[in-house]
Amino acid sequence: NAGVTQTPKFQVLKTGQSMTLQCAQDMNHEYMSWYRQDPGMGLRLIHYSVGAGITDQGEVPNGYNVSRSTTEDFPLRLLSAAPSQTSVYFCASSRGQNNSPLHFGNGTRLTVT
Amino acid sequence: DAKTTQPNSMESNEEEPVHLPCNHSTISGTDYIHWYRQLPSQGPEYVIHGLTSNVNNRMASLAIAEDRKSSTLILHRATLRDAAVYYCILRDENSGYALNFGKGTSLLVTP
Repeated sequence: NAGVTQTPKFQVLKTGQSMTLQCAQDMNHEYMSWYRQDPGMGLRLIHYSVGAGITDQGEVPNGYNVSRSTTEDFPLRLLSAAPSQTSVYFCASSRGQNNSPLHFGNGTRLTVT
Repeated sequence: DAKTTQPNSMESNEEEPVHLPCNHSTISGTDYIHWYRQLPSQGPEYVIHGLTSNVNNRMASLAIAEDRKSSTLILHRATLRDAAVYYCILRDENSGYALNFGKGTSLLVTP
């Protein structure tokens, strides 16, 4: 009964490095999404997916890439990390219907120096 | 996308009821109203959702205005563990699932 699993929990990068934040769900949910949360701020949508092979941009997509090759996984890639990407990242999933609740992971805290 | 407006912060005494308001004047007929909360250092968690009728569950109640342009999350007896940021969002299949949470309402519960 894992739900939404995010790895790693913590990560420190140097400017210009690349990395992938992993998100996996075991509930066969069609919808998955990535958010970032900066100190004292709400959640801002980065990218989302309504099914395998389908992705779309959210409010703040620049600097991030996503792909959805399977229903279970929705990795978030930082190609060239910048200090402005220091944040807490949350992955969420749900069934496709608009009356379905979102399930969130526990987050990845990323620091870019 | 339809937007929501919430107060930045509210305060309540422990064991008293709390009414958290949300305005969504541009809501469409197919938008569901969802509420989530985020405890310190945790990811958001689902609280409740509704379409037109008032809803109750073990965590809270959701009161929806007759014109659906506003809603209120009701915590019947606030506890210290209810101190969190509460988010009201609208979810509509036609909007493409672009769910933006905003800043929410920070609830402070005092003993």
